[in-house]
Amino acid sequence: GDSVTQMEGPVTLSEEAFLTINCTYTATGYPSLFWYVQYPGEGLQLLLKATKADDKGSNKGFEATYRKETTSFHLEKGSVQVSDSAVYFCALLNTGNQFYFGTGTSLTVIP
Amino acid sequence: DVKVTQSSRYLVKRTGEKVFLECVQDMDHENMFWYRQDPGLGLRLIYFSYDVKMKEKGDIPEGYSVSREKKERFSLILESASTNQTSMYLCASSLQSVGAQYFGPGTRLTVL
Repeated sequence: GDSVTQMEGPVTLSEEAFLTINCTYTATGYPSLFWYVQYPGEGLQLLLKATKADDKGSNKGFEATYRKETTSFHLEKGSVQVSDSAVYFCALLNTGNQFYFGTGTSLTVIP
Repeated sequence: DVKVTQSSRYLVKRTGEKVFLECVQDMDHENMFWYRQDPGLGLRLIYFSYDVKMKEKGDIPEGYSVSREKKERFSLILESASTNQTSMYLCASSLQSVGAQYFGPGTRLTVL
């Protein structure tokens, strides 16, 4: 079946460090791909999305590129801030309109 | 902006009580979802609905039911709450043609 696998955390970085959170997926056809962010005690917020191969989603300095050949959608940010501390979820929406979430990666940014 | 609201942020109930969790969205979305989130288990889909009066079981429907009498409102019902239903409950909605799900702030339910 379809699934999303993302790197396990927790991830701890110093402020201004480069961030990569890996996400790979398994799906037939051409799913849409998403990154969500969850701040402590809150629901999930849509961070960015990409709907077809080679699309780059971007928002708030975060980027992810839909790579069909490697079935990946890695999240990157060039310089993280303390306020980026949160849990990040990769997700896909398949052609059957079903949503699949990864298990989440916790990020802590220290000053 | 899409707004998804949930009736309570925190709720404490006793074992055996009937519990109602309400979710309302204001963007005319066709699809609505209920998840529970537990440490180490990620998000698990309980029920979803693609239209008024329509419901489909998700991955873990046991012990839950839902109601969707109006397009904007999707209720999750715990018929007889048990301690293993202590969790964070998240509601989401989406537009059929776009797909991205939009989440409410969550309800942290504790069953004593």
